[in-house]
Amino acid sequence: SYVLTQPPSVSVPPGETAGISCGGNNVGSKSVHWYQQRPGQAPVLVIYYDRDRPSGIPERFSGSNSGNMATLTISRVEAGDEADYYCQVWDTSTTYGAVFGGGTKLTVL
Amino acid sequence: EVQLVESGGGLVQPGESLRLSCAGSGFNVNVNFMSWVRQAPGKGLEWVALIYSGGGMYYADSVKGRFIIFRDDSKNTVYLQMNSLRVEDTGLYYCATPVNGKDAFDMWGQGTMVTVSS
Repeated sequence: SYVLTQPPSVSVPPGETAGISCGGNNVGSKSVHWYQQRPGQAPVLVIYYDRDRPSGIPERFSGSNSGNMATLTISRVEAGDEADYYCQVWDTSTTYGAVFGGGTKLTVL
Repeated sequence: EVQLVESGGGLVQPGESLRLSCAGSGFNVNVNFMSWVRQAPGKGLEWVALIYSGGGMYYADSVKGRFIIFRDDSKNTVYLQMNSLRVEDTGLYYCATPVNGKDAFDMWGQGTMVTVSS
């Protein structure tokens, strides 16, 4: 089955830029979605189809995807961005289904 | 208001069964696809099952043969019948769906907790 690998944690000072990686075999050939999950809350979609933002998501959130790595970039990080972030793709091989990365805890220092 | 509301969670013993419900409001749950996603305490998200508008169903290997996803269009509700429950099935179960025609989950319920323990 398909595997997505994320770093367990990323820490950045407020106002800086945070990059969260999501590695997978030829993940650039798939569409990657990103979710933000604050403590005690349900996940929220922040990026879909690699780089598109749903309405209501700040322009500070952006995404890219190429080769074996997708990246979620959060510019001008704010305290409110502190959360867990998950990448997700669809595995259309023999074991069809959604695949989530292990999640990355973003800490705003 | 467009929303999903899960119910049916609880405490059960290993080997027992439980049925979760996910009621949709403000949209039809049979238009695109509906999924169940779970999260063990302190862990990440794990996809569990999916049902398409045409009725096709898919399951994670960890639940295949034990869980069944089905839908009642008259009640605008999707269900997850969970049989032969194991301790490792413990977690918060969310239903989720792409409301806006994408294949990303842009709508999630608040989750219902399932605890499997002896």
